Amino acid sequence: SFELTQPPSVSVSPGQTARITCSGDKLGDRNVCWYQQKAGQPPVLIIYQNTKRPSGIPERVSGSNSGNTATLTISGAQAMDEAEYYCQAWDSSTTNYVFGTGTKVTVL
Amino acid sequence: EVQLVESGGGFVQRGGSLRLSCAASGFSFSSYPMTWVRQAPGKGLEWVASITDGASVVSYADSVRGRFTISRDHKNSLYLQMNSLRADDTAVYYCARVRAVASYFDYWGQGTLVTVSS
Repeated sequence: SFELTQPPSVSVSPGQTARITCSGDKLGDRNVCWYQQKAGQPPVLIIYQNTKRPSGIPERVSGSNSGNTATLTISGAQAMDEAEYYCQAWDSSTTNYVFGTGTKVTVL
Repeated sequence: EVQLVESGGGFVQRGGSLRLSCAASGFSFSSYPMTWVRQAPGKGLEWVASITDGASVVSYADSVRGRFTISRDHKNSLYLQMNSLRADDTAVYYCARVRAVASYFDYWGQGTLVTVSS
């Protein structure tokens, strides 16, 4: 079955760049999106169609997708970026939506 | 403003049933596919079920197929009928709006907690 794998955790210093990877078979051939989830809150869409940002999401948040890996990049990390991040794609063979395993980002 | 408000969660015994509802407002509900996603305590997100805008096609995760039924009305409500509940169905259940062309969920509700006792 189609699976998406993320590192469990990423640490970044304030002002530095955090990169979160999402790996899956031929992921570059699919549309990938990313969600941010803070404790006790529902997920929020921050990247869709690999690289696009919904309104209200700052430009320092960006996405890319190629080969077997999609990457979420957060530039100039701030304390407000501390959250869990999930990638997600659609598996056309099963018509199922698939979430990544999630990555906890810590800014310290 | 798009709003999704879930209700119907609660405490239920193993083997029991529960029906979740999601009230949508601020957009043309009948024009969008919808979905349910759940999150067990301390765990990641798990897609549960989806339904097309016209309700003609439904999809389920293997973990709930045959026990859960997703449906919608013609006004503004999405439903999830959950039968034969198990302890591992304990989770916060979110409804979300689907943008099918690029396969993402752009608006989410606050969620409703379902607790299945063993």
